[in-house]
Amino acid sequence: DQQVKQNSPSLSVQEGRISILNCDYTNSMFDYFLWYKKYPAEGPTFLISISSIKDKNEDGRFTVFLNKSAKHLSLHIVPSQPGDSAVYFCAAVTGNQFYFGTGTSLTVIP
Amino acid sequence: DAGVIQSPRHEVTEMGQEVTLRCKPISGHDYLFWYRQTMMRGLELLIYFNNNVPIDDSGMPEDRFSAKMPNASFSTLKIQPSEPRDSAVYFCASSLFSRANTGELFFGEGSRLTVL
Repeated sequence: DQQVKQNSPSLSVQEGRISILNCDYTNSMFDYFLWYKKYPAEGPTFLISISSIKDKNEDGRFTVFLNKSAKHLSLHIVPSQPGDSAVYFCAAVTGNQFYFGTGTSLTVIP
Repeated sequence: DAGVIQSPRHEVTEMGQEVTLRCKPISGHDYLFWYRQTMMRGLELLIYFNNNVPIDDSGMPEDRFSAKMPNASFSTLKIQPSEPRDSAVYFCASSLFSRANTGELFFGEGSRLTVL
């Protein structure tokens, strides 16, 4: 049973606009939430994280929002750049276990 | 640091053959994870080790799958016998957990397995 869900398999955004990637989870015991970015033929790489005690974390063009009451997580990329085109996985952590979503493929159109 | 190193990068084999995937974690990391990526299930945890000891193998799909970590710098994932439905990309990841950080995972580049 998927504890972390990314319901949008793909997203296309114009360069310079905002990209919003969404993630829902079911387990209220998750301690941390992370976003990973994956290019073809490479392993996922860590992008940004947020603790369950916070509701926002920002790092440059990337901001992660956490809505615990809705069990919802989102990643905002602004402005979007063509190099941001990749698959984005959200992950939730409890104890030492990571649970990943199925990924959202982002295409930023020049 | 060289990062997490996996081999082979690509493996094509026939149904029924034994497949062994290898992983060298980042030096000093105390956790090692094996994941399988498929379109339907995304990144699926198969097994993870802490200080070379298997902690949770509940994600291993069947008895055909086995994993070992004989020392801190090496792990294997073995499939015997392999079946076409095992075709996927297998990732190894390592991490150093502490209370001071989020314990992010560092992934290898993956081993793409095709079973004909």
